[in-house]
Amino acid sequence: AQKITQTQPGMFVQEKEAVTLDCTYDTSDPSYGLFWYKQPSSGEMIFLIYQGSYDQQNATEGRYSLNFQKARKSANLVISASQLGDSAMYFCAMREVDSNYQLIWGAGTKLIIKP
Amino acid sequence: SAVISQKPSRDICQRGTSLTIQCQVDSQVTMMFWYRQQPGQSLTLIATANQGSEATYESGFVIDKFPISRPNLTFSTLTVSNMSPEDSSIYLCSVTGVGGVDNEQFFGPGTRLTVL
Repeated sequence: AQKITQTQPGMFVQEKEAVTLDCTYDTSDPSYGLFWYKQPSSGEMIFLIYQGSYDQQNATEGRYSLNFQKARKSANLVISASQLGDSAMYFCAMREVDSNYQLIWGAGTKLIIKP
Repeated sequence: SAVISQKPSRDICQRGTSLTIQCQVDSQVTMMFWYRQQPGQSLTLIATANQGSEATYESGFVIDKFPISRPNLTFSTLTVSNMSPEDSSIYLCSVTGVGGVDNEQFFGPGTRLTVL
């Protein structure tokens, strides 16, 4: 079974609008972490934001925030006021506490921001 | 955060040859990993590079094909041996545990390998 599911293979969004990228996960481990990465066409993998399973508040980093709904096992990335430079692939990943720091990856969502 | 460099950034190689990729981090890290990303795909973990001992390989990856070294806390190499066109991928070094912080995981810029 898929441990990380990103249901949106591609999205088009108008510049300056907010974007929500979906991510659901499956784990029986009570302690885990969720990561979001951005991969522009240049190929580098850029760490955006992290949410721990025991964190009381949703993580935020600048224009990025994570809508963490633990009971639903979802960790959606929200990008506020999108910019042309946000066009990229976005990957959700999970790390379980007993996994020896290994990341489990979703298939990614290709986001294109339209001017 | 950590500054991670990889050499080479890209290479075009002939079938049957080997290429060694270097990963250098500007600070000591707990864990170092090697990933592969084939065109249009997500990342696949090749192995965890262990300091001073043999790497831990994932299913489908073997030491003879992907020998890995990690002589210290800031440096690792991955060799892609006896290459075939199927090895054409981006190879990425990844680290966590920078300054003892493990809720971040960073990636190098990648090595884009093309095998003819």
